[in-house]
Order: sequence, then C-alpha cells, then structure tokens
Amino acid sequence: DAKTTQPNSMESNEEEPVHLPCNHSTISGTDYIHWYRQLPSQGPEYVIHGLTSNVNNRMASLAIAEDRKSSTLILHRATLRDAAVYYCILSSRGGTASKLTFGTGTRLQVTL
Amino acid sequence: EAQVTQNPRYLITVTGKKLTVTCSQNMNHEYMSWYRQDPGLGLRQIYYSMNVEVTDKGDVPEGYKVSRKEKRNFPLILESPSPNQTSLYFCASSYRQGYGQPQHFGDGTRLSIL
Repeated sequence: DAKTTQPNSMESNEEEPVHLPCNHSTISGTDYIHWYRQLPSQGPEYVIHGLTSNVNNRMASLAIAEDRKSSTLILHRATLRDAAVYYCILSSRGGTASKLTFGTGTRLQVTL
Repeated sequence: EAQVTQNPRYLITVTGKKLTVTCSQNMNHEYMSWYRQDPGLGLRQIYYSMNVEVTDKGDVPEGYKVSRKEKRNFPLILESPSPNQTSLYFCASSYRQGYGQPQHFGDGTRLSIL
C-alpha cells in the first residue's frame, strides 16, 4: 500500500479554518484518498474522500494537488468538537480494496 | 439511525476463557471487518467479510475466528484468549467491497485479558 505522511499534531483556534496536510508521493493513478477522524473514546469516523477533483461535503473540503502527491483536509470553522486524530489513508484497487491502513494521523487540538 | 453496534463495550476476562464480541449493522451493508487498535501500531485489520458466508484473513488474524451467517452480524470469536489480545477492537462496515466506499465504525470494545 502506498504510504501517507502527516504531521503528528496541529493546533487551531476555535472558529478559524484548519488545513491538515497529507503527503502521498507514491500514490498510484487509481488510489482514492480518504480522510477519517477519531474522537476520544470513539471509533473512526468517515470525513471525506476523493480521487482527482476537489471535494466538498457538510463536514469538510478536500483539496487534491494537481499531481496528486499531496492533499489537504480543510475544516472551514474549527470547533471544540473537531478535536480529534485525523487520518489520511489511501485505498487501492484489488482484493483487499476496502482495507483501511491507518497511520498515526494528526492530532488536532482546538482551543478557545 | 444508521449504526454499527458492538457488544460488550468493555470486558475483563482471563486467559483461555472463550469469548465473543458481537457486531451488528442496520444499513444492509455487504462488507464488514474487524480491526484492533494498539498504541503506536494504529488500527490493523483482523478479518473481513465481503458478504454472507464469505470471510478472509486480514493482517493479524492469528488467535481469532469470525463467522458471517447473516448479513447484519459479524461476530469476532476468541477461542482461547491470551494477554497479547488485550486491545481496543472496532467493527466496521460499508455498502460493499470497493476501494471508494466510506466505512462506518462501531464505538469499540475494550478487551483486557489477564
């Protein structure tokens, strides 16, 4: 599986936008980019995913670089409830395509 | 409400005493899987199932069994638990097998094997 690299931690002030980066320089042309987050004492939660184009949903936006070697998860207005570990994950075609390989993610702290 | 339900949420037991962690989803999903989460190792897949009666090993299947007799249920069985299976376990499901499918996770089961 292609690997992703994320910063260990980031901080943000409440009500401000947050940009969480992810590098995936070995991504293949058919790999999807997924973002999940894990709040304290909960299971991972799907946030967003995309292939080539930028994506928006009610939770966040996903900006994908033109060469697809990096992506950025954008939380438009961080709240205290967004404090979590955010995982950037690639998934590939194949027999275990639904397997998600979680790294260590980025721990986002949100302060007042 | 669409959800993945795991039971029990917490369990402390002793080595060798068979246990089953249940997982049920109400979304008519075909694909289900089990992960364990350990500090420093992230989440690792134990077993997965692409549909009823179809199961396969993930990355760390040793010491575990699963079954998929009904679409909604995917129990994880520890026939003879050992202390190295002390971990936080998550069940997940998605509409079907496929690399673009979002997955839904349960809230986890924390197992302590003494």
